[in-house]
Amino acid sequence: AQSVAQPEDQVNVAEGNPLTVKCTYSVSGNPYLFWYVQYPNRGLQFLLKYITGDNLVKGSYGFEAEFNKSQTSFHLKKPSALVSDSALYFCAVREKTGANNLFFGTGTRLTVIP
Amino acid sequence: ETGVTQSPTHLIKTRGQQVTLRCSSQSGHNTVSWYQQALGQGPQFIFQYYREEENGRGNFPPRFSGLQFPNYSSELNVNALELDDSALYLCASSLTGTGLNEAFFGQGTRLTVV
Repeated sequence: AQSVAQPEDQVNVAEGNPLTVKCTYSVSGNPYLFWYVQYPNRGLQFLLKYITGDNLVKGSYGFEAEFNKSQTSFHLKKPSALVSDSALYFCAVREKTGANNLFFGTGTRLTVIP
Repeated sequence: ETGVTQSPTHLIKTRGQQVTLRCSSQSGHNTVSWYQQALGQGPQFIFQYYREEENGRGNFPPRFSGLQFPNYSSELNVNALELDDSALYLCASSLTGTGLNEAFFGQGTRLTVV
């Protein structure tokens, strides 16, 4: 069975500081990993994905994420946070074999303080 | 903005009624998935359609049903509405049914059951 844990419901960071949003996963095989962002009253916007290859993945809006197989983690990072980054962030996993659906974590609300 | 559009954006129904939600997938995408996002939760997979056939289903009762049309647009039907069906319903389209490609989400339909 697949599962995703986002251990922090809320992350606060000062504008200009680096940010990290944590995600750990559990799958029976090799994973596809995704990060999505959700703004109020909106659908989810794709940020980045890990399929294979380089463990450091770069995505939209300056975000990046590092796949760590031994720690089963896929933390989202950004070197310098913007107030406009304030939103709800979801980590999702999909097994490479089996069902094609995304399994989402419960989300982390990021607040960037001016 | 993605090319995925959902209608209506908001809907209020009475318990026991039936509802149909609609989704137009992004151009060129042949796979549509539906998710339910309850307040404060991550999206949960309802089912997926690939080339007009159901291609996976989550843990939802049979009163949740769907269709995909030849132009790859899709409908989600929910019969005998219950109060707990109140949620944001998200449609996502992707290029293939293999799971390799990221899903692009619509803005969602907010369903309220009273």
